Amino acid sequence: DTAVSQTPKYLVTQMGNDKSIKCEQNLGHDTMYWYKQDSKKFLKIMFSYNNKELIINETVPNRFSPKSPDKAHLNLHINSLELGDSAVYFCASSHTLRGDTSETQYFGPGTRLLVL
Amino acid sequence: AQSVAQPEDQVNVAEGNPLTVKCTYSVSGNPYLFWYVQYPNRGLQFLLKYITGDNLVKGSYGFEAEFNKSQTSFHLKKPSALVSDSALYFCAVRGSSGNTGKLIFGQGTTLQVKP
Repeated sequence: DTAVSQTPKYLVTQMGNDKSIKCEQNLGHDTMYWYKQDSKKFLKIMFSYNNKELIINETVPNRFSPKSPDKAHLNLHINSLELGDSAVYFCASSHTLRGDTSETQYFGPGTRLLVL
Repeated sequence: AQSVAQPEDQVNVAEGNPLTVKCTYSVSGNPYLFWYVQYPNRGLQFLLKYITGDNLVKGSYGFEAEFNKSQTSFHLKKPSALVSDSALYFCAVRGSSGNTGKLIFGQGTTLQVKP
């Protein structure tokens, strides 16, 4: 049983297109995250949602819009894709109890996005 | 500002030898420290974390890490390396005060274990 799942695993698309990546967790966690891993393997957080509320919004182009329909899902929609958006996008989740941020984040398998 | 440094891009060890992957950090307040491993074309897998208490933390697959507050370090260690340990290792930190759970990652260290 996959704890944090992402679809699709691979996404190849043309510049200018709009695409979405979906994430689901079955761990009962209340906080979900999106991270971007660039070609040099550097990982950086993009967004975080706690109980469907946006709590982290890093300096990310507004072409990127996260949506959390419920606590178990956090989707990432990207408008007008650019070559520089090519990367691996990881979803993660954790349990945040009364603001305690010591809980472990568990990661999905990643979505490899290639923009041509 | 919070930051993590992994000074070695790659660490090479022979199978059966001990391994160390280095990590130093900078954070306001007490640190929450984590190690993750990434196998090729896979997601990140949690290895271990330090929150409080004993400075030596034991984790998955025989790995351990030692928290050293004076040196602001959290080096990952294993007494006897396996070829299957070859992967990309990330150290990450979160501050315990006034933050929203954002993990700051180091740049990663590739571990190569040769037979």
